[in-house]
Amino acid sequence: NAGVMQNPRHLVRRRGQEARLRCSPMKGHSHVYWYRQLPEEGLKFMVYLQKENIIDESGMPKERFSAEFPKEGPSILRIQQVVRGDSAAYFCASSPRVLAGTSGAGELFFGEGSRLTVL
Amino acid sequence: AQSVTQLGSHVSVSEGALVLLRCNYSSSVPPYLFWYVQYPNQGLQLLLKYTSAATLVKGINGFEAEFKKSETSFHLTKPSAHMSDAAEYFCAVSDQGFQKLVFGTGTRLLVSP
Repeated sequence: NAGVMQNPRHLVRRRGQEARLRCSPMKGHSHVYWYRQLPEEGLKFMVYLQKENIIDESGMPKERFSAEFPKEGPSILRIQQVVRGDSAAYFCASSPRVLAGTSGAGELFFGEGSRLTVL
Repeated sequence: AQSVTQLGSHVSVSEGALVLLRCNYSSSVPPYLFWYVQYPNQGLQLLLKYTSAATLVKGINGFEAEFKKSETSFHLTKPSAHMSDAAEYFCAVSDQGFQKLVFGTGTRLLVSP
C-alpha cells in the first residue's frame, strides 16, 4: 500500500514563475492537508481539502496561493509569481474519513515533502 | 485557539542516556495529542498519540509519553537513547472534532556516542 506521494521532491523556480506541487493521498483517504515548513521552524497549516471542496483555508496566504483536490487526480498546491520567501518544504498529509472523537481521529499520514527553492 | 510549546529547540544526550523532550499544550477542549518524528529530508512519521484513553501512551521505537492534564503537558521519553534516534521531534495538538493538527516548533535530538 503506497503512502502519500508528493512530486516533485525538489523544485527550483525563479522569482515571478509559478510553482505547482502535487500530492496523491494514500489509497482510501479522502482528506488532504497541506503544511509549509520554513527553515528552522515547525509545520504551519495551510489548507484542508476533501474531494472537490476546500474545508479550511485559514492558513493560506491571501494572494498567489491556491489549492484544489479534484474528483479525479492528485491535490495541487499552486503558487503564482513566487518570491524568495516562498522557499520552503511543503508537506502534504492525508487521512481517511473517521468519526470525530474516535481513536483514529486526528492522525495524519505525511508525504516526504516538496522542497521549493526560489532563486 | 489550540497551541503547543516545545521547550528547547535542541536536546543533546549520550547514547544510552534518558531522553526527555518537553511539550506543553493549550486547548479549550479536551485535546488529542501527538508526537511525530522527522528524519532528514523525509516526511513526518507518527510516534504515538493520546486520544483520551490511557494517560501513559506507548509508541514505536521504545518511546512513550504521559498526558498530565494538571500540568497541560505531554512530554516524550525514552529510557535509553540510540544513535538512530537522532532526528527532529514535533509535538502536535488537535481537538476531537476536527482533524487539523497544530504543531510545535520542533526539538532536534542529538545523540553522541
